[in-house]
Amino acid sequence: DTAVSQTPKYLVTQMGNDKSIKCEQNLGHDTMYWYKQDSKKFLKIMFSYNNKELIINETVPNRFSPKSPDKAHLNLHINSLELGDSAVYFCASSQVNMGHGYTFGSGTRLTVV
Amino acid sequence: SQQGEEDPQALSIQEGENATMNCSYKTSINNLQWYRQNSGRGLVHLILIRSNEREKHSGRLRVTLDTSKKSSSLLITASRAADTASYFCATDAQGSYIPTFGRGTSLIVHP
Repeated sequence: DTAVSQTPKYLVTQMGNDKSIKCEQNLGHDTMYWYKQDSKKFLKIMFSYNNKELIINETVPNRFSPKSPDKAHLNLHINSLELGDSAVYFCASSQVNMGHGYTFGSGTRLTVV
Repeated sequence: SQQGEEDPQALSIQEGENATMNCSYKTSINNLQWYRQNSGRGLVHLILIRSNEREKHSGRLRVTLDTSKKSSSLLITASRAADTASYFCATDAQGSYIPTFGRGTSLIVHP
């Protein structure tokens, strides 16, 4: 049983396209996150969502939007893809205030050509 | 700006040696966590230390936290080739439950 699963694992697409990455967690956690990891391994928080509050990193372009159909899912939609969007995107979840760590998915490597 | 900064950026040691990585942060925190990332994989949670704790152990891992210096260290004792990975610290700033990560320390353990 994969705790946090994201699909697809690899995504190659052309500039200007719109794409989505799906994330699901079966841990019953109340908060989910999206991170972007660049080629230098720097992990940058993009969104945090706990089905009551969406917190957006203000540096994230509005071409990126999270969609949460329910507590167990947080999908990432990207419009008008640009070359600079190429990176590895990680979904994560946690139970806030429980003092436990965050559980990460295995990542989606996005390549924009 | 990022909260945590790991040091050194890269560390290369022989199997059996100890590896020490440091993390410095800027603001008061709720807790600090260490993660491992193997090449091409997601991050795996190793250990969490709360702001009122000073030291924590888990197997061959030892984490210390000095809130007065806003720093933490991760010690891996008797390292193994399988410990080769990148290690990240993450902090939850007080008033926020969004973890922010440093750039990581790349550890190579030579067999």
